[in-house]
Formats: sequence, C-alpha cells, structure tokens
Amino acid sequence: DIQMTQSPSTLSASVGDRVTITCRASQNISKWLAWYQQKLGRAPKLLIYRASSLKSGVPSRFSGSGSGTEFTLTISSLQPDDFATYYCQQYNSLWTFGQGTKVEIK
Amino acid sequence: EVQLVESGGGLVQPGGSLRLSCAASGFTFSSYEMNWVRQAPGKGLEWVSYISSSGMTTHYADSVKGRFTISRDNAKNSLSLQMNSLRAEDTAVYYCARTSEMTFDYWGQGTLVTVSS
Repeated sequence: DIQMTQSPSTLSASVGDRVTITCRASQNISKWLAWYQQKLGRAPKLLIYRASSLKSGVPSRFSGSGSGTEFTLTISSLQPDDFATYYCQQYNSLWTFGQGTKVEIK
Repeated sequence: EVQLVESGGGLVQPGGSLRLSCAASGFTFSSYEMNWVRQAPGKGLEWVSYISSSGMTTHYADSVKGRFTISRDNAKNSLSLQMNSLRAEDTAVYYCARTSEMTFDYWGQGTLVTVSS
C-alpha cells in the first residue's frame, strides 16, 4: 500500500502570507496526486489534480508542484476563506489520503 | 448542478448492518465511476470503496473488505453501500464522491454512522 505523509500537521499563518504544505509518497506515484480543502463540518473540495492542474473555479493563488514522491501545495497570499484543513491524495494505486494539514489563524 | 445526497446513516449496535444510499442528480450518473470515503470524528479522510460506471468492477479498502458491498443502480441514479458486521471503528461520516479522471471532483454532504451499544 502507498502511504502519504503531510507536513506540517498544523500551520499558523496570517492573511497575506505565502503558505506551503508538503506531501510525500512512500513510493513513486508519478503525477497522480490531488489536493483537497475541507472546512469544518463540510465536505472536501477538489483544488488540484495531476499534481499541478487547477480545478476550474479554484482561485489562482493555489498552485501545486512535484512528481515522483515529493509534492507541494502553495497558497501565494493567504485569504480569510483559506483557513481550513488540506489533504493530499494519491491515485496511482487505488486511493490514499495524507493525514491532513490544518491551516489556522496566527 | 451536480448534487449528491447521502442517506441511511444512524446508530447501530456492534455486529449490526446498515445500508447507505447516495442519490445523484445534475449529471449523467451512468457515465461516472463513484467512490465512498469516510471520516471518523476528528480524524482524516479514508477511502472506503470504488465502483466502475457499469458496476462491473469494485474495489475495497482492506479495513472493510468482506464486510461492505458497494453497488449502483444506473436507472435510478443511485449508489449504495451495504455495511455488515459493523464495528466501533466504522463510526464516521460517510461521503459519496463522483470520480473524474480518478479524482473525486464532487462530494455529497455526508451521512453519520455511529456504531455503539
């Protein structure tokens, strides 16, 4: 099974900050990686697929990069609506989620 | 507008059974693969099960294999998850998710399953 490890688990940041979340896969998953945003009590929403492709309607301040085993999600300028938990997901072999990164207000 | 509405959650005793449903609308249901994902209280997301658009192919997480069965009725735009031999660790919010290019592009609001005596 492929394991996904995110870091950090919690991130404290201010509005306007540049934020980066890292996701590592236990084996090579090429670019088969997605990122989701989940707000408290709500269903997750797809942000990015194939490591760096932005889903239609997602603000351009979100970007993804990486391939193989190391990936990043970057928010270029954190907005109030972005405080949430973010999950990476591999889909190279079935599906596995990372444990999540909570972005909280500093 | 794509809509996925789960139902069927509730309180069930350990060893019991429950059947979840997901009603789909706003898209051609028979053209899409579907998945179930769960989230235990205060925890992260866990993929549970997959079904192909035709229903011919299914996959399960090891944690539910042999106990859960996914199915679909394309004529009724409906997805189901039959859950048997339920355990306390199955307590979670269960989401159905539409699958596009292997990612989960739309999710329902979730239904809570609580396994407790």
